Amino acid sequence: DSGVTQTPKHLITATGQRVTLRCSPRSGDLSVYWYQQSLDQGLQFLIQYYNGEERAKGNILERFSAQQFPDLHSELNLSSLELGDSALYFCASSQRQGSYEQYFGPGTRLTVT
Amino acid sequence: GQNIDQPTEMTATEGAIVQINCTYQTSGFNGLFWYQQHAGEAPTFLSYNVLDGLEEKGRFSSFLSRSKGYSYLLLKELQMKDSASYLCAVRGATDSWGKFQFGAGTQVVVTP
Repeated sequence: DSGVTQTPKHLITATGQRVTLRCSPRSGDLSVYWYQQSLDQGLQFLIQYYNGEERAKGNILERFSAQQFPDLHSELNLSSLELGDSALYFCASSQRQGSYEQYFGPGTRLTVT
Repeated sequence: GQNIDQPTEMTATEGAIVQINCTYQTSGFNGLFWYQQHAGEAPTFLSYNVLDGLEEKGRFSSFLSRSKGYSYLLLKELQMKDSASYLCAVRGATDSWGKFQFGAGTQVVVTP
């Protein structure tokens, strides 16, 4: 158990809908990262937050947005969902912005039908 | 941008040694990471290299050559539980500390 929690574990929804994925980092970790993993794309970095502020952006679509709250939990919002958004979404946390070790949560499996 | 290449699959026998190579091309570099991922599970951190040379951690070792854009992960005394995907990842330049690029992963199959 990494200490990072993600909810929900599974999510099934229809195209065009909007969902919110939630992540709670390990106690004391200030940095949160979001990743998408699909069979054909591998693990893709989406976005990083550090102490409430956005710090790095990867291959995140405009239909997706994220934020980190004052209590350091983070949410990833996915809207206008398409079939291709079906994937495992991982959250990871680390203690410092430059810290090299990331701890991954168990992931949320999103299925868009 | 960054490009990371690693073999798709490798097979080895229990007790043997396997070396997984990773080559990368980056516009900035602040560390190379190796993660292990079992099917359907989250990646777990194995090793980190930022300077040239070999880092040893029990049965796992990782090597980096920054001038060659090359790293390898060495798995010794293979066990059945080592069957997993091994991901090579590079962290971007200082102005984008969090920006990680992952390779597609190398599926290691350990046979009895």
